[in-house]
Amino acid sequence: AAGVIQSPRHLIKEKRETATLKCYPIPRHDTVYWYQQGPGQDPQFLISFYEKMQSDKGSIPDRFSAQQFSDYHSELNMSSLELGDSALYFCASSPLTSGGAKNIQYFGAGTRLSVL
Amino acid sequence: DQQVKQNSPSLSVQEGRISILNCDYTNSMFDYFLWYKKYPAEGPTFLISISSIKDKNEDGRFTVFLNKSAKHLSLHIVPSQPGDSAVYFCAASADAGGTSYGKLTFGQGTILTVHP
Repeated sequence: AAGVIQSPRHLIKEKRETATLKCYPIPRHDTVYWYQQGPGQDPQFLISFYEKMQSDKGSIPDRFSAQQFSDYHSELNMSSLELGDSALYFCASSPLTSGGAKNIQYFGAGTRLSVL
Repeated sequence: DQQVKQNSPSLSVQEGRISILNCDYTNSMFDYFLWYKKYPAEGPTFLISISSIKDKNEDGRFTVFLNKSAKHLSLHIVPSQPGDSAVYFCAASADAGGTSYGKLTFGQGTILTVHP
């Protein structure tokens, strides 16, 4: 079965550079979520999109922006990178369902960003 | 403010025995709870979930119990197998209303080691 695809898997950047992370949700999933997991931490919610509109926002720095495109893939853009941005970035997708299966989020393998 | 807490950083059990992983939450708005399993360098994999209208959900070797009054849930794995060794995250979400489903709030994770 198709899963959530994230690219790239690994990314190395210098401070003050920009980075773009991509996420391709499971087919027919219309909601995308982004999470950041720092070393030894639990995943923290950044932002989500439903039907190409931002649906919720967490503790995402102003230097970060994201969007969901017409084919439902999403991109997380990160500018003026700082050392503290080094983390695993996960994308998850979920289908619009009702009943007991609501909000099962399926995660990609993540992008490991290292800022030097 | 850690709204979802997994107070045991690690758990070690013998193969064939029961593994019990615990999770507590503080936000009474949470109405859907999930358990994820995570291997290093991979994204979280969905295991099992439970809605707040139920107190038990079972899927094969995995059973999740929810005690709403205590704001406590647990994951039982029986019998435990060496392949179950991984980090287990408890997560919770609240119905965001309308067509948007809520972000996941994660616990800190519990490292489960199953010894042959």
